[in-house]
Amino acid sequence: DSGVTQTPKHLITATGQRVTLRCSPRSGDLSVYWYQQSLDQGLQFLIHYYNGEERAKGNILERFSAQQFPDLHSELNLSSLELGDSALYFCASSVATSTDTQYFGPGTRLTVL
Amino acid sequence: SQQGEEDPQALSIQEGENATMNCSYKTSINNLQWYRQNSGRGLVHLILIRSNEREKHSGRLRVTLDTSKKSSSLLITASRAADTASYFCATGGNAGGTSYGKLTFGQGTILTVHP
Repeated sequence: DSGVTQTPKHLITATGQRVTLRCSPRSGDLSVYWYQQSLDQGLQFLIHYYNGEERAKGNILERFSAQQFPDLHSELNLSSLELGDSALYFCASSVATSTDTQYFGPGTRLTVL
Repeated sequence: SQQGEEDPQALSIQEGENATMNCSYKTSINNLQWYRQNSGRGLVHLILIRSNEREKHSGRLRVTLDTSKKSSSLLITASRAADTASYFCATGGNAGGTSYGKLTFGQGTILTVHP
């Protein structure tokens, strides 16, 4: 158990819908990262927040957005869902910067029908 | 985009044998991390090696880093059936660089250890 929690574990929804994925970092970690894992693209970095502020962005679609709240938990919002958004979404956390070890949560498996 | 390329893509061995996986990357790094993933589950952190280190050990794991060749290797000694999983290398960039703030993953090596 990494100490990073993610909810829900599984999510099944329809095209065009909007979903919210939630992540709680390890106690004391200030950085939260979101990654997407799909069969064709592998593990891709989406976005990094540090202490509530966005610090780095990857190939995150405009239909996706994220935020980190004052209690340091983070949410990833996915809207206008398409079939190709079906993937495993991971949250990771680290103490401070991305030069620290990143600990991953169990992931949310999103299926878009 | 994938920074790292892992070799081999798949490895099948018998229990008790050693398993070696290799990772190559393209840009300068601050650190390189190895992770294990069991069948679509979460990523388990194995070891982090920084760019100024050449070798690190953790239990049955040995990681080497050659920054001049931009490559790393993960050795698992005396493998067990429970080591069956996918193994990923991931690179972390330096502050101020375009890779800072994220890990860039390779495609992974699928290791199967037969009892």
